[in-house]
Amino acid sequence: EVQLVQSGAEVKKPGESLKISCTASGYNFPTYWVVWVRQMPGEGLEWMGNIYPGDPDITYSPSFQGQVTISADMSITTVFLQWSSLKASDSAMYYCARLECHDGACYSAYWGQGTLVGVSS
Amino acid sequence: QPVVTQSSSASASLGSSVKLTCTLSSGHSTYIIAWHQQQPGKAPRYLMKLEGSGIYRKGSGVPDRFSGSSSGADRYLTISNLQSEDEADYYCETWDGNTRVFGTGTKVTVL
Repeated sequence: EVQLVQSGAEVKKPGESLKISCTASGYNFPTYWVVWVRQMPGEGLEWMGNIYPGDPDITYSPSFQGQVTISADMSITTVFLQWSSLKASDSAMYYCARLECHDGACYSAYWGQGTLVGVSS
Repeated sequence: QPVVTQSSSASASLGSSVKLTCTLSSGHSTYIIAWHQQQPGKAPRYLMKLEGSGIYRKGSGVPDRFSGSSSGADRYLTISNLQSEDEADYYCETWDGNTRVFGTGTKVTVL
C-alpha cells in the first residue's frame, strides 16, 4: 500500500529556518515523482514543485523558485521541503503527493496528510 | 502553460446529481486532467484521471456515483445520488511537462 506520512505541525518565528518531511512507503521510491502543494487558509491548492528522487530532477513553480528548496534522501525514502528564512505569509498547510503515470499522463494519485506551518512573531 | 477554470460553487439536493466543470485554456483543449476531492479539514483525495475523449480512470475505492466526461475543452465530474459526505471542495489538476496547475476549486453544497 502506497503511503505518504508527513511530519508534524510547526510553529516558527519570522526569519527562522524550517525543514518538513514526507516519508514514503509501499513503492519503489526512486522511480516516482513527488510534488509539494501549498494551501493557504481558506484558499485553493497551489503547485510548488516536483522532485524525481532517483536523479534527482527538481522543478519549481516560478512562484516558489528561490523561496523554498526541495530535496530527497533515498536512504530513508523521504522528500523534504525547506525554508531558510520564513515569512508570516508562509503560514499554510503543505501537502506532498506522489504522481502516478499512465500513457504519458502523470497525476497526483496519493496524498500525504498535510503539515501545518504557522509563522508568527 | 495551461490554465484551468472552475466555477466557485455548486449545490444540489441530497440524492440528486451535480455536474462540475473544469475548462482548459485555449490551445490546451486536448489535455488530460485529474479530479480531486477535499472534504472539510482533510487532505485532498484523488478521484479520477479524465481524458479529452471522455475516458476516465478512477482511484481505488471511489464510489460508482462519481463519473467523468468531456466535451471540447471542458472536463466534467458528475456526482449522482448525492450524499452528505460529498459536500467538499473539488479541484481539477493538469500539467505540461514537469509543470503542474490546479484549478481554483468548486465548493459543492448538499442541500
